[in-house]
Amino acid sequence: AAGVIQSPRHLIKEKRETATLKCYPIPRHDTVYWYQQGPGQDPQFLISFYEKMQSDKGSIPDRFSAQQFSDYHSELNMSSLELGDSALYFCASSPHRGPDTEAFFGQGTRLTVV
Amino acid sequence: DAKTTQPTSMDCAEGRAANLPCNHSTISGNEYVYWYRQIHSQGPQYIIHGLKNNETNEMASLIITEDRKSSTLILPHATLRDTAVYYCIVRPYSGAGSYQLTFGKGTKLSVIP
Repeated sequence: AAGVIQSPRHLIKEKRETATLKCYPIPRHDTVYWYQQGPGQDPQFLISFYEKMQSDKGSIPDRFSAQQFSDYHSELNMSSLELGDSALYFCASSPHRGPDTEAFFGQGTRLTVV
Repeated sequence: DAKTTQPTSMDCAEGRAANLPCNHSTISGNEYVYWYRQIHSQGPQYIIHGLKNNETNEMASLIITEDRKSSTLILPHATLRDTAVYYCIVRPYSGAGSYQLTFGKGTKLSVIP
């Protein structure tokens, strides 16, 4: 079965650079979620989209922005990168049957800022 | 402000049932209880969810108390591959917050051979 695809799987950037993470949801899933997981921490919700519109917003820094495109894939843009942005970034998708449904997570993008 | 409370860690003998408790005493009537697990740096994996009735699927059973203030996830026959961090999450079924899963401090389950 198709899963959530995230690219790249690994990314190394220098401080103050920008990074773009991509997420391709499971076919026919119209809801996308982004999470950040720092070393030894629990996943923290950043932002979600339903039908290309932002639906919920969590602890996403102002330096980050995200959007969902017409084909439902999503991109997380991160600017002015800081050392503290080094983390695993997970994307998840779900079909819109309301919250009585499950979210499927990708394998994540490991971002290292040096 | 955590909405769920779980033990930090638990051990379970391989082949035995693993019972993972979760306290959600402030749960609202419109909130579901979800369980996810994360196996070492992999993406979290959905296990089960419920509103007020007990639920069972191929992975686990979810027992929710009648007052909905606590629940227990049961893995009937734990294997070494079930070693993971287990997260209990409450999530509203409509309105603000219904499009997010808020992970708190989960339970590190270690299955012992």
